[in-house]
Amino acid sequence: GQQLNQSPQSMFIQEGEDVSMNCTSSSIFNTWLWYKQEPGEGPVLLIALYKAGELTSNGRLTAQFGITRKDSFLNISASIPSDVGIYFCAGPKVSTFGNEKLTFGTGTRLTIIP
Amino acid sequence: DAGITQSPRYKITETGRQVTLMCHQTWSHSYMFWYRQDLGHGLRLIYYSAAADITDKGEVPDGYVVSRSKTENFPLTLESATRSQTSVYFCASSEGIREQYFGPGTRLTVT
Repeated sequence: GQQLNQSPQSMFIQEGEDVSMNCTSSSIFNTWLWYKQEPGEGPVLLIALYKAGELTSNGRLTAQFGITRKDSFLNISASIPSDVGIYFCAGPKVSTFGNEKLTFGTGTRLTIIP
Repeated sequence: DAGITQSPRYKITETGRQVTLMCHQTWSHSYMFWYRQDLGHGLRLIYYSAAADITDKGEVPDGYVVSRSKTENFPLTLESATRSQTSVYFCASSEGIREQYFGPGTRLTVT
């Protein structure tokens, strides 16, 4: 099935650095969700975006709904060790039967180098 | 505690056996979902349910059966497990389709 494309696929950064990642699609989305998954756990919802151009923060995390509605961005400021994990974007996609299902991105794996 | 739980957390079974994975949520969410997560494929939807007794196929439903007799429970059954069903399975729930909340996952190995 169709997946959203995330970049970069992986990041290796030092503690304290800022992080930027993005998610793109060939289709328009009317909602963007950002999740974080830590090893051995399920994805946890970080931020939800509902309007083109919207900028929403959750602590050190800031996410933006792209103006074209085909992309979204997630920034993490002053990274700390607990930021390690895989970050997924997700958006609802209308299915064959007319109802919406979430499509997930391929993920960005964040590693912090000591 | 309120939330979404899955059991078992780990399961090893043999090819051909029937396996049921359990999912329970205490939020009274209408929607519940089953995903599998595999390297190179990300999260793929197996089945979902919009309410008790209403279920629908997702992207990869073959080999799986679901039921939802009660709002809070959404079991996933592998009728005859195959090695290709070795995966990590996540249950999720939501009030609408969009903001889904995930359980901790079940790691299933089929030998």
